[in-house]
Amino acid sequence: DTAVSQTPKYLVTQMGNDKSIKCEQNLGHDTMYWYKQDSKKFLKIMFSYNNKELIINETVPNRFSPKSPDKAHLNLHINSLELGDSAVYFCASSQDLGPRETQYFGPGTRLLVL
Amino acid sequence: DQQVKQNSPSLSVQEGRISILNCDYTNSMFDYFLWYKKYPAEGPTFLISISSIKDKNEDGRFTVFLNKSAKHLSLHIVPSQPGDSAVYFCAATSYSGAGSYQLTFGKGTKLSVIP
Repeated sequence: DTAVSQTPKYLVTQMGNDKSIKCEQNLGHDTMYWYKQDSKKFLKIMFSYNNKELIINETVPNRFSPKSPDKAHLNLHINSLELGDSAVYFCASSQDLGPRETQYFGPGTRLLVL
Repeated sequence: DQQVKQNSPSLSVQEGRISILNCDYTNSMFDYFLWYKKYPAEGPTFLISISSIKDKNEDGRFTVFLNKSAKHLSLHIVPSQPGDSAVYFCAATSYSGAGSYQLTFGKGTKLSVIP
């Protein structure tokens, strides 16, 4: 059974469109994250949620809006897509917010904006 | 501003030999360090970690060394196996407020183990 799953795996879309990426974890974890890996290969935190509440919100455009309907899901909605949004987006989860918590990553969603 | 640096984008090692992957950091507030391994088209998976109060942690073929004064850590894999071929990310934990911590990743080093 997949621990952290993301859909879709690939997403090709036009500039200006709105799209969503879904993430689900079946580990019973309290904390979930979204990361972006850009063309320079840096993996950077975008958001983290703990028990459905936003904890970390790094400097990302407000076109990006995370939504957590329950502890097992953290979806990422992106409005008015731009070319620079092309990247791989990884969802992750951990038991809680502690400094030594291992984060478990999903397989990534490869977004290409044309 | 790269707070975690992996200056070698790639490394090739013969099977059975030692692989040494290096990582430098600049933020003295980092107190916990991790290595993640990533295969193509998969997400990173946790490999090994070390607390800032230690200088070495070992798990089977994997050993991580931490030199706090030099702000340097390294991952040793011995003996290296072809299945170890992957991208290795160094990461560090820092407090980000509201009781939460965040990971800062390096750019990764692609390890190729040649049979």
